[in-house]
Amino acid sequence: DIQMTQSPSSLSASVGDGVTITCRASQSIRNYLNWYQQKPGKAPKLLIYATSNLQSGVPSRFSGGGFGTDFTLSISSLQPDDFATYFCQQSYSSPLTFGGGTKMEIK
Amino acid sequence: QVQLQESGPGLVKPSETLSLTCTVSSGSIGNYYWSWIRQFAGKGLEWIGRIHTSGSTNFNPSLKSRLTMSVDTSKNQFSLKLNSVTAADTAVYFCARSLSSAAGEVQWDLWGQGALVTVSS
Repeated sequence: DIQMTQSPSSLSASVGDGVTITCRASQSIRNYLNWYQQKPGKAPKLLIYATSNLQSGVPSRFSGGGFGTDFTLSISSLQPDDFATYFCQQSYSSPLTFGGGTKMEIK
Repeated sequence: QVQLQESGPGLVKPSETLSLTCTVSSGSIGNYYWSWIRQFAGKGLEWIGRIHTSGSTNFNPSLKSRLTMSVDTSKNQFSLKLNSVTAADTAVYFCARSLSSAAGEVQWDLWGQGALVTVSS
């Protein structure tokens, strides 16, 4: 199985800050990496697919990058609605696997 | 818009079978891949497996020996059965949709709200 490792596991930031979350795969997954946002008691929501493609309706302050084993999710100017947990997920091979999550909290 | 809703018992005894159904409403179940994903209390996510409306399946090898999935297109539903459950199977179970099963194209754009299943005597 491909292991996905996210860092940091938690992050404190203020509204208006720019932040970056990292996801590392245990082997190359090309650009087959998705990002999800999850709020308490809700299902994950698809933000970005195939490393850098914004899902319909997702604000442009979200962006993704990377290739191979190292990937990033960046938020250019945090809004109150962005404080949530973020997960990466590889779609390179079965079984599909997720990172452990990054919980973003208000400073 | 299309919605997914999980249903099934919230409490299952150890060694018994966990059964969940996902109903697709306000849209067709056809030509999509339907997955089950679970989330443990520590927040980790695990992909359980998927089924296409043709009936073809792909399971997580860690669960394959205990899993059955089925689809009923006439009812716009698909189902999960996990047998011989233990406390380690306690989780929130989500159903979710993807358009493709090809490498690099599996992303879940629609999710159910989740169903908590507790395994306990």
